[in-house]
Amino acid sequence: EPEVTQTPSHQVTQMGQEVILRCVPISNHLYFYWYRQILGQKVEFLVSFYNNEISEKSEIFDDQFSVERPDGSNFTLKIRSTKLEDSAMYFCASGEETQYFGPGTRLLVL
Amino acid sequence: GEDVEQSLFLSVREGDSSVINCTYTDSSSTYLYWYKQEPGAGLQLLTYIFSNMDMKQDQRLTVLLNKKDKHLSLRIADTQTGDSAIYFCADRIKAAGNKLTFGGGTRVLVKP
Repeated sequence: EPEVTQTPSHQVTQMGQEVILRCVPISNHLYFYWYRQILGQKVEFLVSFYNNEISEKSEIFDDQFSVERPDGSNFTLKIRSTKLEDSAMYFCASGEETQYFGPGTRLLVL
Repeated sequence: GEDVEQSLFLSVREGDSSVINCTYTDSSSTYLYWYKQEPGAGLQLLTYIFSNMDMKQDQRLTVLLNKKDKHLSLRIADTQTGDSAIYFCADRIKAAGNKLTFGGGTRVLVKP
């Protein structure tokens, strides 16, 4: 059964460093998403991506964040200069009517 | 904006039925979903329902939707220890794009 994969599973970084989280969506899906879950809080929508551009973004998704589909399979989330409050589990998802989620990347900013 | 709420915790005996409840605020919610999260794992899509339906059954899972009260429930029949997990409801307002709005999750503990 096709699934969404994410790498790395865990990432520890210093405040101010750039991180890139990677995702491989399900191959025939056209819509891709990033969500995050800060410990103890709800899963929050960050951004959706369709046809090589951002289709929707939340107010969380500020200039520190960017997304890219660098090739036919990968979908990345870049955080330019990480802050302590960026520590969270980041989930990638793909699909339209139904969204299938990856296992997540746990990001810890020190 | 849209708000989705769930109770925090449910304890149930193995073999009994579990009922997990969820409320939402936007009456234009078009699709409603249930996801399951096991420890250390991602969000597994369990089932979903369109807003033009009242009920959907899928093996041991029954979803009930009360649009008047903006209430969604997930019933798990014959609950097993493997059903212990966090269950999230989420909704999508089609006119507002594809983003999902999640509840805070209900932790279900199945006791033998």
